Amino acid sequence: GAVVSQHPSWVICKSGTSVKIECRSLDFQATTMFWYRQFPKQSLMLMATSNEGSKATYEQGVEKDKFLINHASLTLSTLTVTSAHPEDSSFYICSARPSGSGPYEQYFGPGTRLTVT
Amino acid sequence: ILNVEQSPQSLHVQEGDSTNFTCSFPSSNFYALHWYRWETAKSPEALFVMTLNGDEKKKGRISATLNTKEGYSYLYIKGSQPEDSATYLCASPRGAYKYIFGTGTRLKVLA
Repeated sequence: GAVVSQHPSWVICKSGTSVKIECRSLDFQATTMFWYRQFPKQSLMLMATSNEGSKATYEQGVEKDKFLINHASLTLSTLTVTSAHPEDSSFYICSARPSGSGPYEQYFGPGTRLTVT
Repeated sequence: ILNVEQSPQSLHVQEGDSTNFTCSFPSSNFYALHWYRWETAKSPEALFVMTLNGDEKKKGRISATLNTKEGYSYLYIKGSQPEDSATYLCASPRGAYKYIFGTGTRLKVLA
């Protein structure tokens, strides 16, 4: 149980295009999902917190107009990187907190490797 | 300490050896300390959540201790096996949801 999937697992796109990454909780509902980014040799950094049916909360320094987050259902959150540039190349990983669970419970997806050429 | 720091960054051990690594975290406003095991191309898997000073947790050959007053946690692996090869992450939440992660310790167990 408690499986989170991400799609795609890797993607290469051209500079200026947009890319959508999906995060799905497969066997539980998640009111809250989190999006992280990891650059080489650095730690996972929280980008935003996504709550079903409401606007996402972005961390300081993360451009909300560039990283569009939609959490339209209790099992799906999407992250769209708009007008991607090479500096957006990174590893993006989501996690999902089961609805009604305690504050420390979250399950991670396997991540998406984005390369912008 | 303002961030979560892990050491060593990587290590290689022989099969059967026991090993341990360290996670240092801010001791002020402490809520919890998490350890995750992360294999390449897979999802990070939760190992332990510890909240109380002096906590000790164990799962099979893996155990962890917690010192919240001095801000560190140790993860121990007894009798390492090749399947233990992974990156071990620790994370400490600042508030209800903002997790601060360490950069991880990459363990390679040689057969």
